[in-house]
Amino acid sequence: DAKTTQPPSMDCAEGRAANLPCNHSTISGNEYVYWYRQIHSQGPQYIIHGLKNNETNEMASLIITEDRKSSTLILPHATLRDTAVYYCIVGGVTGGGNKLTFGTGTQLKVEL
Amino acid sequence: GAGVSQSPSNKVTEKGKDVELRCDPISGHTALYWYRQSLGQGLEFLIYFQGNSAPDKSGLPSDRFSAERTGGSVSTLTIQRTQQEDSAVYLCASSRVWGAGDTQYFGPGTRLTVL
Repeated sequence: DAKTTQPPSMDCAEGRAANLPCNHSTISGNEYVYWYRQIHSQGPQYIIHGLKNNETNEMASLIITEDRKSSTLILPHATLRDTAVYYCIVGGVTGGGNKLTFGTGTQLKVEL
Repeated sequence: GAGVSQSPSNKVTEKGKDVELRCDPISGHTALYWYRQSLGQGLEFLIYFQGNSAPDKSGLPSDRFSAERTGGSVSTLTIQRTQQEDSAVYLCASSRVWGAGDTQYFGPGTRLTVL
């Protein structure tokens, strides 16, 4: 699985957009980019994923660069409940199935 | 069910005892995954099932760890002769099918404490 690099922490004001970057320069052509988040003491929660195109759902938008070496998760209007650790994961097509390799993620803190 | 469920939510055991952790995946999901998360660490992949078979057991930390899945549904992770380093949150996830791009949904986890 390709490795990812994320900033360890970020702050965001409530109501503003939170833009979380992720570098995955060694991604291969058939690997997906996944984003999960983990609120303290809970299991990881799926947010969004994509292969090449930008994606949007009710939670967030995912912007993937044309060379696929980096991506940005956008929470358009962050709330206090969005405070969590956000994981960017690259993987998918391996001999070991669709196992996800979690890094240390970005601790997002949303403040008033 | 509506989501992945795991039991027990908390388990405290003494060193050397065996423990069984249970995972009920989302109904109809054919793939099931086990991970663990030690305090302050990221998630570590342990094993996955496609149906009742586990093609990749390389993530299991030692031969004290085993897992099975019956009827394509419930899975049990068993840890024999527990050690203090086994203390962690054990997380189960399921996905509709096995394959790239399919979303994994996680349960709340079982917090295991080995005294």
